[in-house]
Amino acid sequence: ILNVEQSPQSLHVQEGDSTNFTCSFPSSNFYALHWYRWETAKSPEALFVMTLNGDEKKKGRISATLNTKEGYSYLYIKGSQPEDSATYLCAPDSNYQLIWGAGTKLIIKP
Amino acid sequence: DTAVSQTPKYLVTQMGNDKSIKCEQNLGHDTMYWYKQDSKKFLKIMFSYNNKELIINETVPNRFSPKSPDKAHLNLHINSLELGDSAVYFCASSHTRGLGEQYFGPGTRLTVT
Repeated sequence: ILNVEQSPQSLHVQEGDSTNFTCSFPSSNFYALHWYRWETAKSPEALFVMTLNGDEKKKGRISATLNTKEGYSYLYIKGSQPEDSATYLCAPDSNYQLIWGAGTKLIIKP
Repeated sequence: DTAVSQTPKYLVTQMGNDKSIKCEQNLGHDTMYWYKQDSKKFLKIMFSYNNKELIINETVPNRFSPKSPDKAHLNLHINSLELGDSAVYFCASSHTRGLGEQYFGPGTRLTVT
């Protein structure tokens, strides 16, 4: 069973500022790394699935990088907007099972 | 068109009752999942089915029994409901195990009184 750590637990960011947060996971038995965005009172929505060391994915103002050798992934949000407020979950996949982190709760202050 | 749907959205019932939550996906995915969002808001996998076969069965009480009549449906039946079963239950599906991103249903908020 993987131990997944996300930091920080919560984050307040001024609208317009850029931010990033971290997902750490054991690098052994790695298969893929998922990022999800979970707005309050809604369901998690997939952002990225990454597999290769050095992978970098981008969707609009949100991007993610992956380091499988040292076991971490960063999620970046450029020019934060109020609609970015959500909990961001990472989930490494080991043996076809996602192990979910506790998430980073992002609050954008207008 | 709803990709992953769950019914009911809210379920309030008394201890000791038996209830079912239904899940359907119209995405043509092979794999379906049931998650429980616990009191600390963590997502915990309960069951996973691939092509109607159980592939993951985490440590959940045997009062919980999943049923997959076909690839598009994965229902969750709960016997003898207890107060601690109160939670939000999410159904999800993915095209493939592992690499496939998961699509979640809207969740079912179960309250046991």
